[in-house]
Amino acid sequence: SQKIEQNSEALNIQEGKTATLTCNYTNYSPAYLQWYRQDPGRGPVFLLLIRENEKEKRKERLKVTFDTTLKQSLFHITASQPADSATYLCALAYQGGKLIFGQGTELSVKP
Amino acid sequence: GAGVSQSPRYKVAKRGQDVALRCDPISGHVSLFWYQQALGQGPEFLTYFQNEAQLDKSGLPSDRFFAERPEGSVSTLKIQRTQQEDSAVYLCASSLEPGSSYNEQFFGPGTRLTVL
Repeated sequence: SQKIEQNSEALNIQEGKTATLTCNYTNYSPAYLQWYRQDPGRGPVFLLLIRENEKEKRKERLKVTFDTTLKQSLFHITASQPADSATYLCALAYQGGKLIFGQGTELSVKP
Repeated sequence: GAGVSQSPRYKVAKRGQDVALRCDPISGHVSLFWYQQALGQGPEFLTYFQNEAQLDKSGLPSDRFFAERPEGSVSTLKIQRTQQEDSAVYLCASSLEPGSSYNEQFFGPGTRLTVL
């Protein structure tokens, strides 16, 4: 079955630096990969989607890459702010819309 | 016009009790998903509805779990004879179009179920 691994440890960075989160998967590549943000006590919120034939996608301070050869996606937050502190989830999207999530990476941005 | 809502937000049940969790998706959204999220883990898919049709229930952990969406809007997830391992946050999500891997999903705040 499909397995998804994200940075297993929490990521602590200084305000203003770039945060890089990793998502690795096994088995077959999905057509789409999505990234979500989750704050404590809340449901995930959609951030970005990238297609298998796209190498890179950007939205404001966010950048996502998708390498189907390496079976890996990288998620970057540039000029990070304390308000970016949250758990970030990658999800592989399959036919029918079902999402298979990684376990999430907790990001803490210190002022 | 608000987002996805879920009720109750918190539920404490004694082992063996039946519970019912409600989801109100965004009006007009065709697709509705249920996920289960254990502490410190990502959400795990339970089931998917397109309008009132349950098209995928492959993630339901046992026959104690049952979901319905009779009129294609509100959905209820029912858990019979709850067990301690059912303790988790149950998330509902909806999306505008029929199930497709490129649609973003809008999540509710979840129902935290604790089984004693």
